Amino acid sequence: NAGVTQTPKFRILKIGQSMTLQCAQDMNHNYMYWYRQDPGMGLKLIYYSVGAGITDKGEVPNGYNVSRSTTEDFPLRLELAAPSQTSVYFCASSYSGEQFFGPGTRLTVL
Amino acid sequence: QKEVEQNSGPLSVPEGAIASLNCTYSDRGSQSFFWYRQYSGKSPELIMFIYSNGDKEDGRFTAQLNKASQYVSLLIRDSQPSDSATYLCAGPIGGGSARQLTFGSGTQLTVLP
Repeated sequence: NAGVTQTPKFRILKIGQSMTLQCAQDMNHNYMYWYRQDPGMGLKLIYYSVGAGITDKGEVPNGYNVSRSTTEDFPLRLELAAPSQTSVYFCASSYSGEQFFGPGTRLTVL
Repeated sequence: QKEVEQNSGPLSVPEGAIASLNCTYSDRGSQSFFWYRQYSGKSPELIMFIYSNGDKEDGRFTAQLNKASQYVSLLIRDSQPSDSATYLCAGPIGGGSARQLTFGSGTQLTVLP
């Protein structure tokens, strides 16, 4: 099992550009999550999904969108990148309580 | 008030000592808590979870949950330099089940050789 995978590992965007962060899991977990982590801070929930076709907002959803067309994939879309979105993004999945995290994507918006 | 708060540290202990990490939570309905370890530049990894009042031991790690006082702690016995990391406490958002978690800001632990 690869667990939770994320691509890309690093990305630099210019202000106003768009991009999609990819996340996939092969553990057949229904629950998937997107977090952002700013330096020295904990994780903030952006969006989550309880299954294919069902998504909901977390604590900090503004500026992001998600979709969940399959159990395996949960991409995160940034439409108009802003410097405030510079962060490390983690995707996670869960079957019951404990969440398993991907390796993260480090995003810089200049 | 944040739902989960950690003493921000940083915390330094000598090798072989007991490291004590603490976390308080605001929602009395919260049922379960998780401790994650995060090495610098890496993703969080689960090391302990606890659902019941009292202690739960796993090797050198002991998680403690006190629902009356609304705190959770993690004790690391015989601390090793490899335990140096940031430890994140997490609990369910809005109490109840653990489907969504809210994370504390983390406590940075350094174990000095």
